Amino acid sequence: GQQVMQIPQYQHVQEGEDFTTYCNSSTTLSNIQWYKQRPGGHPVFLIQLVKSGEVKKQKRLTFQFGEAKKNSSLHITATQTTDVGTYFCAVPTSGGYQKVTFGIGTKLQVIP
Amino acid sequence: DAGVIQSPRHEVTEMGQEVTLRCKPISGHNSLFWYRQTMMRGLELLIYFNNNVPIDDSGMPEDRFSAKMPNASFSTLKIQPSEPRDSAVYFCASSWASEYEQYFGPGTRLTVT
Repeated sequence: GQQVMQIPQYQHVQEGEDFTTYCNSSTTLSNIQWYKQRPGGHPVFLIQLVKSGEVKKQKRLTFQFGEAKKNSSLHITATQTTDVGTYFCAVPTSGGYQKVTFGIGTKLQVIP
Repeated sequence: DAGVIQSPRHEVTEMGQEVTLRCKPISGHNSLFWYRQTMMRGLELLIYFNNNVPIDDSGMPEDRFSAKMPNASFSTLKIQPSEPRDSAVYFCASSWASEYEQYFGPGTRLTVT
């Protein structure tokens, strides 16, 4: 099945610092999704990237899809305590009926 | 829209007991997913349905686990008999199609003692 590596697994930052998490695949992806899970909560869909080299922004969050469509990043500018949580990427698996496989997630702690 | 509804939100049971988790997907969604989340293994897909038909149950850990979707608005995940290692948060999610964004329910936190 589709393998996706997500790094780092944990990140502690001071409030106001930037944060980036990366997802890497060994194969070309048709798309990639990003989710956020707050502590004690459930994963919530953030965005889907489809095009090679695509960059999308949501306020302080910037999502990027690599030119080769094998990697993606989520960058948060000037983190706030509300950014605390685990960020997952999810990629399609192959097969007649596609499904998505979730990365292990990056757990972000923001120190006020 | 109420979103994906799961019940119960918390379940504490003794080893050997049967556990049934319930899910109501978002109306109009054709795909439904059951996940298990633990610290050690992260978010694991157990099974997913498309148009009420089980498509991939390769993630179901063993025969003690079973899932059904008798109609488009209801699904169950059953564990019989339950074991302490089944303790986890179980999420149900639905989507328009299996490759589109998923909407997760609040989860059921299961503790088996």
